[in-house]
Amino acid sequence: AQSVTQLDSHVSVSEGTPVLLRCNYSSSYSPSLFWYVQHPNKGLQLLLKYTSAATLVKGINGFEAEFKKSETSFHLTKPSAHMSDAAEYFCVVSETGNQFYFGTGTSLTVIP
Amino acid sequence: NAGVTQTPKFQVLKTGQSMTLQCAQDMNHNSMYWYRQDPGMGLRLIYYSASEGTTDKGEVPNGYNVSRLNKREFSLRLESAAPSQTSVYFCASSVFSGLPYNEQFFGPGTRLTVL
Repeated sequence: AQSVTQLDSHVSVSEGTPVLLRCNYSSSYSPSLFWYVQHPNKGLQLLLKYTSAATLVKGINGFEAEFKKSETSFHLTKPSAHMSDAAEYFCVVSETGNQFYFGTGTSLTVIP
Repeated sequence: NAGVTQTPKFQVLKTGQSMTLQCAQDMNHNSMYWYRQDPGMGLRLIYYSASEGTTDKGEVPNGYNVSRLNKREFSLRLESAAPSQTSVYFCASSVFSGLPYNEQFFGPGTRLTVL
């Protein structure tokens, strides 16, 4: 069975400081992994995806994620938070590309 | 390109009423999906359509029906709405299903309240 656990429901950071949003996954196979962002009252937008070509994945807006198979983790990072990064972030796993399993989300607050 | 569009944006129903949520995409994608989003639960898949003419159940299909009208359109129907169906509903599409790294594109959502 596949599943995703986002370890923090809320994260607060000061503007200009690093961001770390944690995600652990469970999968019997080599999964596809994604991070999506949802700004208030908006749909979801893809930040980045793990393609197995490289364990360190670069996405939009300066975000990165590192796939660690030994730790079954896919944590999202950004060196310096911006006010516009305040949003809900979802980690997603898929084994088949048919069904996608979302984490419960991490709400990121950026303090000016 | 409008991407993925959904109508209506907001809807209030009484228990037992029926309604259809509409979704359309203009990206020539083969696969389409319906999700519901509830506080603290992330998104859960209701139904998906891997290609025109096919539909399959997702994680939470009870109380819903879907129709893949053509390649562009995928509708979700609530035959007899219940308060437990109060949620935000998202439609999504992707080029193909069943492929790795298959990213989805999402619509803006429909906020449904059932009284």
